[in-house]
Amino acid sequence: AQKITQTQPGMFVQEKEAVTLDCTYDTSDPSYGLFWYKQPSSGEMIFLIYQGSYDQQNATEGRYSLNFQKARKSANLVISASQLGDSAMYFCAMREDAGGTSYGKLTFGQGTILTVHP
Amino acid sequence: GAVVSQHPSRVICKSGTSVKIECRSLDFQATTMFWYRQFPKQSLMLMATSNEGSKATYEQGVEKDKFLINHASLTLSTLTVTSAHPEDSSFYICSALRTSVNGEQFFGPGTRLTVL
Repeated sequence: AQKITQTQPGMFVQEKEAVTLDCTYDTSDPSYGLFWYKQPSSGEMIFLIYQGSYDQQNATEGRYSLNFQKARKSANLVISASQLGDSAMYFCAMREDAGGTSYGKLTFGQGTILTVHP
Repeated sequence: GAVVSQHPSRVICKSGTSVKIECRSLDFQATTMFWYRQFPKQSLMLMATSNEGSKATYEQGVEKDKFLINHASLTLSTLTVTSAHPEDSSFYICSALRTSVNGEQFFGPGTRLTVL
């Protein structure tokens, strides 16, 4: 079964508008972390935002915010005031804190290609 | 954020040759590094976990004799693709785990391997 699911292969948004990229996850581990990364065409993975499973508040980093709905096991990324430079592939990832040799291991979703139109 | 470098950024080789990719953590010591493989427009697939001073842990389906991993120091892990074939052509990305920062992985810029 997929541990991380991103159901939107592609998304389009108008410049300056907000966009939400969906991510759902599946884990029985009570302690885990959720990450969002941006991957432009150059291939580098750029860290955007992190949410810990015990964090009470939704994470925010500048124009990025994470809509964390723990009961629904969803961790959607909201990008406000989209810019042309936001066009890229976006990945949601989960770290399960089972410990041992698997600590730190990330499982990635399929990714969403975001295109920002002028 | 922390800096992780990868070398080379691009490599083209003939079928049957071996290729070594280096991953360096430049400003922190990384006990654990990860190697991923990514095909165009697809997700990152974890190949193996590299632990300094011990054998790498490979994911199911990844041939350990094909993809040799060495993590000889706290700042360097290497991936060697042995006897490369065209199907090994891919984008290889490494990351270094920094346990003090939310267990965050810092990614290298990737290496694009093309096997002719």
